[in-house]
Amino acid sequence: GESVGLHLPTLSVQEGDNSIINCAYSNSASDYFIWYKQESGKGPQFIIDIRSNMDKRQGQRVTVLLNKTVKHLSLQIAATQPGDSAVYFCAERKGSNFGNEKLTFGTGTRLTIIP
Amino acid sequence: GAVVSQHPSWVICKSGTSVKIECRSLDFQATTMFWYRQFPKQSLMLMATSNEGSKATYEQGVEKDKFLINHASLTLSTLTVTSAHPEDSSFYICSARDPRPGGQETQYFGPGTRLLVL
Repeated sequence: GESVGLHLPTLSVQEGDNSIINCAYSNSASDYFIWYKQESGKGPQFIIDIRSNMDKRQGQRVTVLLNKTVKHLSLQIAATQPGDSAVYFCAERKGSNFGNEKLTFGTGTRLTIIP
Repeated sequence: GAVVSQHPSWVICKSGTSVKIECRSLDFQATTMFWYRQFPKQSLMLMATSNEGSKATYEQGVEKDKFLINHASLTLSTLTVTSAHPEDSSFYICSARDPRPGGQETQYFGPGTRLLVL
């Protein structure tokens, strides 16, 4: 079936280093992708998004890359800080029924920043 | 980003009782809200799409008579877990999309409600 999955369930990174979290998706009809950060006991927090007509988008210390050829999405976090420790989810939106679209979430990657 | 709140943040109840969870969009009107459930160390699973003024759309496998959704206004959706059982214990999270011009297409999530059924 259709799914959004992550290559690595856990990732430990030294503080100050860069981190890369990967995500594979299988639905070629997906037109919009989002990365969320979820801290323990809290709801997901929006980080960055990208439309399918783009291959790169940058935010503050974060960059999302989209490779539609291999259906791969990645989140790069630069100069990681202890506050970046969390579970990161990728999500995809299928279709364009604007306003009523559903998101499918990946399995999540736990990022731990080592002081 | 848009702000979504939930109440209560946590609730403990006895088996067989019903629990109502509220989801509010604080600075925008949301014609559509979404309800998710998340078990420990797992991803978010969409339960239903809540539509203002009409019936909710439930995902396959989600019992509509057990998880009652009401979206009576543009800023409030409620999820009622009826006759709760221990297996309903989970983290329930709602989301809404900011439809305002210039608003992003993404869904913004509430802080979640942790339900424990004894």
